[in-house]
Amino acid sequence: DIQMTQSPSSLSASVGDRVTITCRASQFISSYLNWYQHKSGKAPKLLIYDASALQSGVPSRFSGSESGPDFTLTINSLQPEDFATYYCQQSYSSPWTFGQGTKVEV
Amino acid sequence: EVLLLESGGGLVQPGGSLRLSCAASGFTFRSYALSWVRQAPGKGLEWISTLSGSGSTAYYTDSVRDRFTISRDNSKDTLYLQMNSLRAEDTAIYYCAKDRSNAGAPFDYWGQGTLVTVSS
Repeated sequence: DIQMTQSPSSLSASVGDRVTITCRASQFISSYLNWYQHKSGKAPKLLIYDASALQSGVPSRFSGSESGPDFTLTINSLQPEDFATYYCQQSYSSPWTFGQGTKVEV
Repeated sequence: EVLLLESGGGLVQPGGSLRLSCAASGFTFRSYALSWVRQAPGKGLEWISTLSGSGSTAYYTDSVRDRFTISRDNSKDTLYLQMNSLRAEDTAIYYCAKDRSNAGAPFDYWGQGTLVTVSS
């Protein structure tokens, strides 16, 4: 199975900050990397797919990139509604595994 | 508007069975793979199963293979998850998710989830 490792596990930030979250796969996954936002009690939300494609309806302050084995989710100018847990997920091969999550807190 | 509504969760004893349903609307149901993803208390998201649009190909994570069965009724726009031989570690919120296209694609829409508690 492909293991997905996110860092950090949690971070503290303020409104207006730029936030970056990193994800690394244990094996080659091409660009089949997705990012989700999850708030407690709510349905998870797809933000970025295929490493850098912005899902329809997602604000442009969210962006994804890749560099070698590392994938990055960047949130520019953090907004109050962005405090949540973020997960990466590989869609390269089954089982389609998630990272352990990064909690973005005030 | 795409909507996914899960139902069927509840309290069940270890070794028991439960059947979850996911009623879908707002898209051409038979054209998309659908999946189940769960979140145990205090844990992250875990993909557990996906079924192709036609229902011909199913995928499972190892921990539920041979105990859970995913199925769909394309005439009713409904996805199911039959869960047998339930264990305490199956306690979780179970989410239904629509794959963006075929099986293995990103999950672009999710339901609100249904809670399954396995306890005596």
